[in-house]
Amino acid sequence: EVQLVESGGGLVQPGGSLRLSCAASGFAFSSYLMHWVRQAPGKGPVWVSRVSRSETDVSNTAYAGFVEGRFTTSRDNAKDTVYLQMSSLRAEDTAVYYCAREFSPFSTPIRYFDLWGRGTLVTVSS
Amino acid sequence: EIVLTQSPATLSLSPGERATLSCRASQGVVSYLGWYQQKPGQAPRLLIYDASNRATGIPPRFSGSWSGTDFTLTISSLEPEDSAVYYCQQRYAWYTFGQGTKLEI
Repeated sequence: EVQLVESGGGLVQPGGSLRLSCAASGFAFSSYLMHWVRQAPGKGPVWVSRVSRSETDVSNTAYAGFVEGRFTTSRDNAKDTVYLQMSSLRAEDTAVYYCAREFSPFSTPIRYFDLWGRGTLVTVSS
Repeated sequence: EIVLTQSPATLSLSPGERATLSCRASQGVVSYLGWYQQKPGQAPRLLIYDASNRATGIPPRFSGSWSGTDFTLTISSLEPEDSAVYYCQQRYAWYTFGQGTKLEI
């Protein structure tokens, strides 16, 4: 089955750290750009980060401006897994974090998201 | 940052009626806009990409169009399962989403 499964969310205090994981299955994981997108309760989705297809290629790794150096995304193609390491967490980082695959018709990525996980909830609160 | 403004915030219609949802971009994005459907407790689902192309498996009652910076998602004959929040997303400059339109059937 083609799917993404996130894990690692939970309750963390302001200033704390958390590492999210996303396990992929059913498709050629290493062929796709992968993303993290978050959604606060009752709000629209917000793009967080993108990781390159290759573990060693950082040219296509990117972050939203609000990340401000606090998050790091990476992947392990041997494990079909993408990660989001978050530190210096703030209350405004509270959201469901989704892992998403970049839509790639005809093998060309075109910046939409065609496969999403069910998400993992991150709550930043004291 | 490109801001996407969706209207109306909520739309209440009956089965079989036609729904028209709007998304306006704060600056030109060519045709680089997509639409997603999100049901409660679920992740968003890609419906339309690049303004008018249906994603795989999306029924033909869903269609998209655009003129300038104004984009429209039309659902031609509503079914009860179309109840959801619909989001637009642009890919012209990075990735931004609208705030959503809640469609009640």
